[in-house]
Amino acid sequence: DAGITQSPRHKVTETGTPVTLRCHQTENHRYMYWYRQDPGHGLRLIHYSYGVKDTDKGEVSDGYSVSRSKTEDFLLTLESATSSQTSVYFCAIGTGREETQYFGPGTRLLVL
Amino acid sequence: GEDVEQSLFLSVREGDSSVINCTYTDSSSTYLYWYKQEPGAGLQLLTYIFSNMDMKQDQRLTVLLNKKDKHLSLRIADTQTGDSAIYFCAESPYGSSNTGKLIFGQGTTLQVKP
Repeated sequence: DAGITQSPRHKVTETGTPVTLRCHQTENHRYMYWYRQDPGHGLRLIHYSYGVKDTDKGEVSDGYSVSRSKTEDFLLTLESATSSQTSVYFCAIGTGREETQYFGPGTRLLVL
Repeated sequence: GEDVEQSLFLSVREGDSSVINCTYTDSSSTYLYWYKQEPGAGLQLLTYIFSNMDMKQDQRLTVLLNKKDKHLSLRIADTQTGDSAIYFCAESPYGSSNTGKLIFGQGTTLQVKP
């Protein structure tokens, strides 16, 4: 398995509070991605990174920001969490070969 | 825009073959993928097929690609209870110049009955 960890694995927070999720990789891959998974929607891309300090928006980026100051870490921040951001968040890393992606174990976020 | 569609549920008996279907919209997709998600876990890459191929076989898995109809299927031979999971189809819609962004279908839940 690709070396990807996510922290925390579970979080409960209140509406209006900031939340930061961390993705850490040990594979030195260039590309990193944040997805959210919701019933009936599959996985939808929030933001992605193609290098240190190089990030771009995905399909559902509103309300989220990201940062990548080191190759191995990609942070997802919910500036002011809302109940609609209750979801399971997955980080993925890209090999650059065959455009395949490898996924982390996920973070379950509940916003009350 | 890009869209990937899958049926939501499939139930089979242990030992039978399972066929999970997917349709996609972007004819420029270079690669198409199948991922498996077991309960409470992340997605595991099962297999992928390059767009200039019609078929790819990997042990019990057979992927068929019909580019004309933009239809992808995953056949699992001799389905086992351990194959029970959600299966996601995904396309890479921007070709080799993309940054690896994938578009996923909604996922097909495969239920295998003993």
